[in-house]
Amino acid sequence: GQNIDQPTEMTATEGAIVQINCTYQTSGFNGLFWYQQHAGEAPTFLSYNVLDGLEEKGRFSSFLSRSKGYSYLLLKELQMKDSASYLCAVSGGQNFVFGPGTRLSVLP
Amino acid sequence: DTGVSQNPRHKITKRGQNVTFRCDPISEHNRLYWYRQTLGQGPEFLTYFQNEAQLEKSRLLSDRFSAERPKGSFSTLEIQRTEQGDSAMYLCASSLGRAGLTTDTQYFGPGTRLTVL
Repeated sequence: GQNIDQPTEMTATEGAIVQINCTYQTSGFNGLFWYQQHAGEAPTFLSYNVLDGLEEKGRFSSFLSRSKGYSYLLLKELQMKDSASYLCAVSGGQNFVFGPGTRLSVLP
Repeated sequence: DTGVSQNPRHKITKRGQNVTFRCDPISEHNRLYWYRQTLGQGPEFLTYFQNEAQLEKSRLLSDRFSAERPKGSFSTLEIQRTEQGDSAMYLCASSLGRAGLTTDTQYFGPGTRLTVL
């Protein structure tokens, strides 16, 4: 079977750093993707990891450990506009399997 | 090209009616995907196309759902005899889908929100 887990909700303060974890068990692995989704809008692509390690992209970084089936998304210097759901998705073949998403609230 | 587009953005229908949604992918993208998303959940895969060929269909997709991509460009998703449980956001995504790509990023459209009364 395929299973992806993320915390349901997280809260952080403006200017802080937050780490959103994702664990997965899938039948295949071609890459792990992170998407941001604001309420009522479509998911927008943030980053992807294929190999183990950290990928940095401005205020956002994503880490992958394939042996542990684990990834995290790190958001630095949080801004109010970062309040959104963050979706972890695994490409196990031709299609993606999405996690339930983590709803992040950034407080002033 | 400004990205993936979907029409309509909202659809309200009565139970038992048929509905059809359209998706126009990014022009050079060969793959097109349909997902369904309900409140508080991640997108759930429905089906995908490589050019005009429908290559995979979720086991969760009932016979009331059908999708086409006749010329390998835009796609339509039809739901027949709608039920209240079909109420959801229907998302379309596209990707390059070229041979040799080990990782193929999907880009999403704005979605069609379906409400079945």
